[in-house]
Amino acid sequence: GAGVSQSPSNKVTEKGKDVELRCDPISGHTALYWYRQSLGQGLEFLIYFQGNSAPDKSGLPSDRFSAERTGGSVSTLTIQRTQQEDSAVYLCASSLDSLQGGGEQFFGPGTRLTVL
Amino acid sequence: AQRVTQPEKLLSVFKGAPVELKCNYSYSGSPELFWYVQYSRQRLQLLLRHISRESIKGFTADLNKGETSFHLKKPFAQEEDSAMYYCALRAFTGSARQLTFGSGTQLTVLP
Repeated sequence: GAGVSQSPSNKVTEKGKDVELRCDPISGHTALYWYRQSLGQGLEFLIYFQGNSAPDKSGLPSDRFSAERTGGSVSTLTIQRTQQEDSAVYLCASSLDSLQGGGEQFFGPGTRLTVL
Repeated sequence: AQRVTQPEKLLSVFKGAPVELKCNYSYSGSPELFWYVQYSRQRLQLLLRHISRESIKGFTADLNKGETSFHLKKPFAQEEDSAMYYCALRAFTGSARQLTFGSGTQLTVLP
């Protein structure tokens, strides 16, 4: 089957607007992760979902960021009142299970967000 | 909290020369270490993991707990090795089972 998919691939928005980024994980993967990749900053963990457990939101940078995962599959990352510093590539990854599967995460192509 | 440090943002070597990408970590428990690679216009993907003790595309990495390092090495670099390399640590502390990534090293192999 297909790998992790993300949409849109590119998003340009104006400061103050809300944006939604979508992630479709690999079928059967129970763990889903969101990261932010900023120039020169590497990958920054945002949030992680494991099955039906409460998500680990410890990486979300502010309360403007939120994410949900419906039906244990598709996930949406929402950024409210976007700021210019939110500009980055947002990566989604999934894995079989956060405990098993050797820890390998499969990454999507990312969504490049530009806030003007 | 765990931390991964990659001291070199940029690294250039000539084709055929040995290459070493440095990675140091801090973690009080027993870590799992990984190297991920992102080739130009491709997705981030797993290169190798320390528990497998395998060689992928000629690369190896040995976990040195004494020095808390997991350097990536290849004896003879190839132009197709040019990419961004990320070292990552997976720790198990409460619910924190996500990967912690270093800031990455951009490797350029010159002809």
